[in-house]
Amino acid sequence: DTAVSQTPKYLVTQMGNDKSIKCEQNLGHDTMYWYKQDSKKFLKIMFSYNNKELIINETVPNRFSPKSPDKAHLNLHINSLELGDSAVYFCASSHPLLGGGGNTIYFGEGSWLTVV
Amino acid sequence: QQQVKQSPQSLIVQKGGISIINCAYENTAFDYFPWYQQFPGKGPALLIAIRPDVSEKKEGRFTISFNKSAKQFSLHIMDSQPGDSATYFCAASSAGGGNKLTFGTGTQLKVEL
Repeated sequence: DTAVSQTPKYLVTQMGNDKSIKCEQNLGHDTMYWYKQDSKKFLKIMFSYNNKELIINETVPNRFSPKSPDKAHLNLHINSLELGDSAVYFCASSHPLLGGGGNTIYFGEGSWLTVV
Repeated sequence: QQQVKQSPQSLIVQKGGISIINCAYENTAFDYFPWYQQFPGKGPALLIAIRPDVSEKKEGRFTISFNKSAKQFSLHIMDSQPGDSATYFCAASSAGGGNKLTFGTGTQLKVEL
């Protein structure tokens, strides 16, 4: 039973289109994230939500809009796709951070987006 | 600005050898330092993590060495196996950062027979 699942796994689309990636976690976590991995494998956080509330919003174009209908789901909608949006997008989840240190972040298997 | 610098970019080790990957950080507020392992086509998975109140942590063949004064930490893989071939990422986060991980640039490890 997959802990963090995201769909679709592969997505090829044309420039200018709008697309969504869905994510669900069954770990009972309150916090969910979107990370982007570029062609050089560099991983960078985009957003995080804690119990449906936006916590982290990195410098991401307004074309990217996350939505969390409940704490087990965090979807990513991308408007007006550009060539530079081609990347692997990882959904992740964790328990909320309480106090110092960090909590284990569990990643999904990624959604490979190719914009042509 | 790369807050966590990782080296080498790639590494080839013979089976049974020791793999060593190094990371350096700049932000002194970082207080949690995990290493993630990523296989092709998969998401990163936590391998081992350390907090700055200890200088070393060992789990099986994997050891993190941490030098707070130098702001450096490293991953040692003892008795490296072909199954260890993967990309390894160091990362760091701070208590005030909302569990946001700042990743290094990754090291592609290949363990040869």
